[in-house]
Amino acid sequence: DQQVKQNSPSLSVQEGRISILNCDYTNSMFDYFLWYKKYPAEGPTFLISISSIKDKNEDGRFTVFLNKSAKHLSLHIVPSQPGDSAVYFCAASGSNYKLTFGKGTLLTVNP
Amino acid sequence: EPEVTQTPSHQVTQMGQEVILRCVPISNHLYFYWYRQILGQKVEFLVSFYNNEISEKSEIFDDQFSVERPDGSNFTLKIRSTKLEDSAMYFCASSEALRTNQPQHFGDGTRLSIL
Repeated sequence: DQQVKQNSPSLSVQEGRISILNCDYTNSMFDYFLWYKKYPAEGPTFLISISSIKDKNEDGRFTVFLNKSAKHLSLHIVPSQPGDSAVYFCAASGSNYKLTFGKGTLLTVNP
Repeated sequence: EPEVTQTPSHQVTQMGQEVILRCVPISNHLYFYWYRQILGQKVEFLVSFYNNEISEKSEIFDDQFSVERPDGSNFTLKIRSTKLEDSAMYFCASSEALRTNQPQHFGDGTRLSIL
């Protein structure tokens, strides 16, 4: 099941710089997209979401961009902080509201 | 901030035994979910539950699985006769409503190890 894909298993950035995490999806019925952050031994923590009627949603240092025609979304974190180091999951849902997750991207922010 | 709590954090069970995983969703949430993550794989949807009924279930959620809301606060996942391949992290989630812009909030999971 490859309906949600995160092609980069890992990303390393310097503190203070921008982190850009990418996600692609194939199911055109998805209309709600979410990013979760996960630390080891903890559950996914909701970070930010966007509905398909928007192309951008911003919350503090976190911005999600949605390109529906390309079936692509991205999460921008700026400025990146060492505490942002975690696995980031992209997830999507449609009318049945069940979440379909990507495999995750391990973000490492170096001091 | 209210959170979803899951117990136990780690459960070790012999193959063929029954196991019950417990969850306390966020108190004003009405929709409940179970997901699992096998080591090295994606988080996968198992089942959603609303108004004391299953709303949707995946093909993983076969007759060996059942869910129950036995009282006003707990939400349980039962596996009747565990198999080795049931070993995984099981996450409970809840959401306030079933509409766009109501994210699901997850607990910290139960690691289930089948021997």
